Order: sequence, then structure tokens, then C-alpha cells
Amino acid sequence: DQQVKQNSPSLSVQEGRISILNCDYTNSMFDYFLWYKKYPAEGPTFLISISSIKDKNEDGRFTVFLNKSAKHLSLHIVPSQPGDSAVYFCAASAIPGILIQGAQKLVFGQGTRLTINP
Amino acid sequence: SAVISQKPSRDICQRGTSLTIQCQVDSQVTMMFWYRQQPGQSLTLIATANQGSEATYESGFVIDKFPISRPNLTFSTLTVSNMSPEDSSIYLCSALQGLYNEQFFGPGTRLTVL
Repeated sequence: DQQVKQNSPSLSVQEGRISILNCDYTNSMFDYFLWYKKYPAEGPTFLISISSIKDKNEDGRFTVFLNKSAKHLSLHIVPSQPGDSAVYFCAASAIPGILIQGAQKLVFGQGTRLTINP
Repeated sequence: SAVISQKPSRDICQRGTSLTIQCQVDSQVTMMFWYRQQPGQSLTLIATANQGSEATYESGFVIDKFPISRPNLTFSTLTVSNMSPEDSSIYLCSALQGLYNEQFFGPGTRLTVL
């Protein structure tokens, strides 16, 4: 059962335009969501996160939107740059900020390969 | 954020052998985790490495196959035992600092089993 889904395996965007990566989840217990970027031969790098009490979080060129009723989140990158070309994973966890067993478990989507074309 | 290193970065192993992967964090962390990323797949949590006690394994993963140690707050090892080609994956360790679930990942160990 895939609890976190990224239905687009790949996305190609022109440099300078907006990149929108989507993620859907099924578990209503998920309360905290994260986006990671992964280059080849490197581990995932944390990008941005959002808790369920918000519907938007912005950090520079990166904005994450959360629609709890639709169980959907998206990552917007604007403007897109060639260095943004990477695989992007969304991840979800149940209870942020609580050090109890299992609360920190991250469930990842399958990833979306973003290519920024010059 | 914590800086995490892993050794080896890659290895090619024969079926039936075992490989131990080391994960070193440059600062003390509250929790450490081991993930697997099979080719073309997402990251799947293998286990939570608990300091001073047995690791907590996720469904589908067992201690006999993936023994884990965590002797202190900055170091952990994962052993992939009695390997088969199906174990060919990238193995990643991660660490959690503070209270929020922003786990930081090591660069991964790319394992190929022949």
C-alpha cells in the first residue's frame, strides 16, 4: 500500500519558469510533510517542510502548499534554475516533535525526476 | 545540520557473503535510521537504530538479515547478511537532530551483489 504517491515520474521545465511537483497521501494521520532533493550518487538533501497547521510555507524560491482536505501537497520552484535538476521526494510523518517510538518514521513517495532545460 | 558520512561508498559483493556499512555523524543526534532504495524505487525504512539497545525493524525486515549496531550517539553500522542479487540497492543512513522530523542523510552506499 503506497501511502505517499508522486504520480509523475518525470517533469521537464524551461529555465526561468515555474516547476510544480505534486504529491498525494492516503493516511490521514500524517501531520508533517517534507520535500527532499537528491542528486545522483548523493544522499537526499532536506529542502522544505510544512506542518498540518499551515497551508503554505515559503523559503526563497521554494514554496510548499498543503491541501489537507484533498490530502495533497505540492512544491513550487520559481524561477527554475539548471541546478534544480534532480530527483525530488516528498515524505510524510505522523507526529512532529515527539520523541516516541515510530513518530519520526518518514514515508517517502517514489520521486519525480525534474529536468530544467536551458 | 549534522554531516553524515558512510563507508564504503560502493561495493560489489558475491552472493552468500555479508557486508557491514558504517555511518558516522559529526555531532550527537537523537535518532538514527537505515533506509534502502532499490533501483527505481522510493526510500524504504529498514530500521531505527537505538543507542544501547536492539534496533526496531519495519515490517519485512528482520534482525538476522540486517543486524544493526549503535554503540553511541554518533555511530551506527548496518550489516547485510547472506547477500543475494535482490539485495542490490543503495543503503542510506539518516539522523534526526532536535525535535522536528527533518532527517539528514548520508551519501549512501551503493551495493551490487553478483
